Amino acid sequence: VQLVQSGGEVKKPGASVTVSCKAYGYTFSDFGISWVRQAPGQGLEWMGWINTYNGNTNYTQKVRGRVTMTTETATNTAYMELRSLRSDDTAVYYCARDQDDSTGYFDSWGQGTLVTVSS
Amino acid sequence: DIQMTQSPSSVSASVGDRVSITCRASQDISSWLAWYQQKPGKAPKLLIHAASSLQSGVPSRFSGSGSGKDFTLTISSLQPEDFATYFCQQTKSFSWTFGQGTKVEVK
Repeated sequence: VQLVQSGGEVKKPGASVTVSCKAYGYTFSDFGISWVRQAPGQGLEWMGWINTYNGNTNYTQKVRGRVTMTTETATNTAYMELRSLRSDDTAVYYCARDQDDSTGYFDSWGQGTLVTVSS
Repeated sequence: DIQMTQSPSSVSASVGDRVSITCRASQDISSWLAWYQQKPGKAPKLLIHAASSLQSGVPSRFSGSGSGKDFTLTISSLQPEDFATYFCQQTKSFSWTFGQGTKVEVK
């Protein structure tokens, strides 16, 4: 099992960013995917979850309205788009595989993608 | 949202020590709790799920206990590779939330 994320991004305030997460080594649609971020020197913040089978999502209130999580089953890839970026969105963004569908236990993680928001 | 509070925020210990980290939930989460280990520059690693179930491949010196609101992660005999930051996470209900982390440092 491996999750491989896209590379780092530098964005200006107000812009949008999309991070991808390509899955290898398992049946993609059998396991949910969450996105978790970590600001520099800070703790972990769960952003949301997507059911990779039917596309159902659940987002934390903090980013709801600015985030969209999608999947492309043909390529075993999950995407996280964050819009109207602010400086406090600067963080390492991780995708993580749920141990089942929606237990919330993340047994495999991507390598992380640093998103820097700066003018 | 359910708030998760870890203590202590840091602990200094030596190889061979027994180390315990606690996590308290702001409401009853039954056994919907995980523990992760994170080393600098790396993604977190799942150690314990369902409060006390050891993840496959994780050494048996790690153990988890508790239910309801109060939980504990114990490292029975600290090894050099265990110096890291540990996070608890509740998964009782969306939004899933993490504790602020506990750094295990060299004494």
